[in-house]
Amino acid sequence: KAGVTQTPRYLIKTRGQQVTLSCSPISGHRSVSWYQQTPGQGLQFLFEYFSETQRNKGNFPGRFSGRQFSNSRSEMNVSTLELGDSALYLCASSLVPPTYNEQFFGPGTRLTVL
Amino acid sequence: AQKVTQAQTEISVVEKEDVTLDCVYETRDTTYYLFWYKQPPSGELVFLIRRNSFDEQNEISGRYSWNFQKSTSSFNFTITASQVVDSAVYFCALSEAGGNTGKLIFGQGTTLQVKP
Repeated sequence: KAGVTQTPRYLIKTRGQQVTLSCSPISGHRSVSWYQQTPGQGLQFLFEYFSETQRNKGNFPGRFSGRQFSNSRSEMNVSTLELGDSALYLCASSLVPPTYNEQFFGPGTRLTVL
Repeated sequence: AQKVTQAQTEISVVEKEDVTLDCVYETRDTTYYLFWYKQPPSGELVFLIRRNSFDEQNEISGRYSWNFQKSTSSFNFTITASQVVDSAVYFCALSEAGGNTGKLIFGQGTTLQVKP
């Protein structure tokens, strides 16, 4: 069974630009969560989608947004990039309950903002 | 407020030594889940274990074992006879709301270096 895939794996952008990251969950998984990992703040929850609906959102500014498609694939978008947005963005997928929160992570997208 | 604390930032051991990674959590929920993940240099978080708040039994899986104590709000992870391949960053995480959420609250991680 293929794991969670994220594209692209590496990305370099400049301040002010916007970026879209993609996540394809494990086949059959309907929940997708996104996390930001930085050396200073560690792993922080961005948002969670289930059946195309955002269920939870972390404490991030409105520049961070996401969506989920009917095939469970998810995208996250960051507009007006800032230097502090440089991070590893991890996507995780999980099945519906009862194993809902047993999440499997992808390899991440490393975003560098110059 | 919910919080996970991994007080050990870095640990260095020699191969075959036993090592324990500490995790202390805070939550007001009575139903919650605790997790351990491993992050090798490749970056992908690898799921190791999930434990719910009603199950305080310790668990052993090969060289790995976990000790969950609600009385001290701790969920410690021990690697017996460590190997070089165990070198990674290990994260402890907490999930609240009865577990019916994808939101995980992570500790800051413990970097384990196992030297040959």
